[in-house]
Amino acid sequence: EDQVTQSPEALRLQEGESSSLNCSYTVSGLRGLFWYRQDPGKGPEFLFTLYSAGEEKEKERLKATLTKKESFLHITAPKPEDSATYLCAGGFYNQGGKLIFGQGTELSVKP
Amino acid sequence: DADVTQTPRNRITKTGKRIMLECSQTKGHDRMYWYRQDPGLGLRLIYYSFDVKDINKGEISDGYSVSRQAQAKFSLSLESAIPNQTALYFCATSDTGIGETQYFGPGTRLLVL
Repeated sequence: EDQVTQSPEALRLQEGESSSLNCSYTVSGLRGLFWYRQDPGKGPEFLFTLYSAGEEKEKERLKATLTKKESFLHITAPKPEDSATYLCAGGFYNQGGKLIFGQGTELSVKP
Repeated sequence: DADVTQTPRNRITKTGKRIMLECSQTKGHDRMYWYRQDPGLGLRLIYYSFDVKDINKGEISDGYSVSRQAQAKFSLSLESAIPNQTALYFCATSDTGIGETQYFGPGTRLLVL
């Protein structure tokens, strides 16, 4: 069964304390790996798409990377406004246009 | 204006009532999706539509039905609401193709009493 797994489930950081979130997938045939940010009670907001192993994308304090089996979302010097749930999702050739979502990592950044 | 809109944003209903959630998009995408989100269970796909004439069940379609009225409109109905359908509901759209980015609406918070 195609699976996408995120870790940790929750992460608490102090402002300025850099860390990484992990997203692993247990399937072959990855077409795209997606990262979203979700604030409480709101819809997921698209952040990045990665298509090839070795690819990296950056936006402000966030950098996403992709290997053959996992992706990382690196958060450099986070601020309290980075607090949110971060979702990853995989688009696989055998799933047509559907995405498979991980459970999310809830990030809390304290001042 | 938002690219993907959902109405209503909040809804309280009683067990047994029929309700409809509506989604509209201005992105010009052919594909539309309905998800529900529950604490600890993540996003689960209810139904999806790859074009106006194509409707497909997702992983949790029981108790739900959908209608694709036009390229830009996709409605979700709960025929007879029950309390365990209390959840956040999201509509999403994407372009045609495998591995295309999905763009989400703001969500509808539904409470079934």
